[in-house]
Amino acid sequence: GAVVSQHPSWVICKSGTSVKIECRSLDFQATTMFWYRQFPKQSLMLMATSNEGSKATYEQGVEKDKFLINHASLTLSTLTVTSAHPEDSSFYICSARGAQGIYNEQFFGPGTRLTVL
Amino acid sequence: GESVGLHLPTLSVQEGDNSIINCAYSNSASDYFIWYKQESGKGPQFIIDIRSNMDKRQGQRVTVLLNKTVKHLSLQIAATQPGDSAVYFCAENKGRNQGGKLIFGQGTELSVKP
Repeated sequence: GAVVSQHPSWVICKSGTSVKIECRSLDFQATTMFWYRQFPKQSLMLMATSNEGSKATYEQGVEKDKFLINHASLTLSTLTVTSAHPEDSSFYICSARGAQGIYNEQFFGPGTRLTVL
Repeated sequence: GESVGLHLPTLSVQEGDNSIINCAYSNSASDYFIWYKQESGKGPQFIIDIRSNMDKRQGQRVTVLLNKTVKHLSLQIAATQPGDSAVYFCAENKGRNQGGKLIFGQGTELSVKP
């Protein structure tokens, strides 16, 4: 299957700072990328859908000014957590889907563990 | 609101036994479902999918059953192995009007005893 990478795999930051997480599709062009957040022992919660060259569509309750998403190329999307606080500590996972259609498989990245002190 | 949920949060089985993981969904218009396996600290891994025009689909050691009448699907794992220990999620594809986004169920943690 196709490969999606995330960087960094884990990050620790101080409260009030911003953190950028990268999601890359390594061997295919991802017209759509998705960002999820997962708290311990819980399910994946979709945060936003990002289409290349367009503004991201955020799920209800997700602050777009706090979670900045950029999808400037067909192989890279970034999620920036601005002014991070301890409650933002979570496992952030991206997925990427090619241009074949909405029923095409989403390939998931390995996740990024964010800890805010 | 719409949701995809699971009946059992944890499941413990003996190695070699069959495992059945259940999932209920609320949107009768949903037409595409996927099962994922997630190991600790990793991203979800695709297992098998099923469209609403099917009742059953089989893969290697796995079978997914879809009952549209009661809005229920299940994942059956044959001859469960220790490597199958993980959290399993069903996911519902929300269709073209919502960009094909996935909504995940709450998950079932499968523990396989040797």
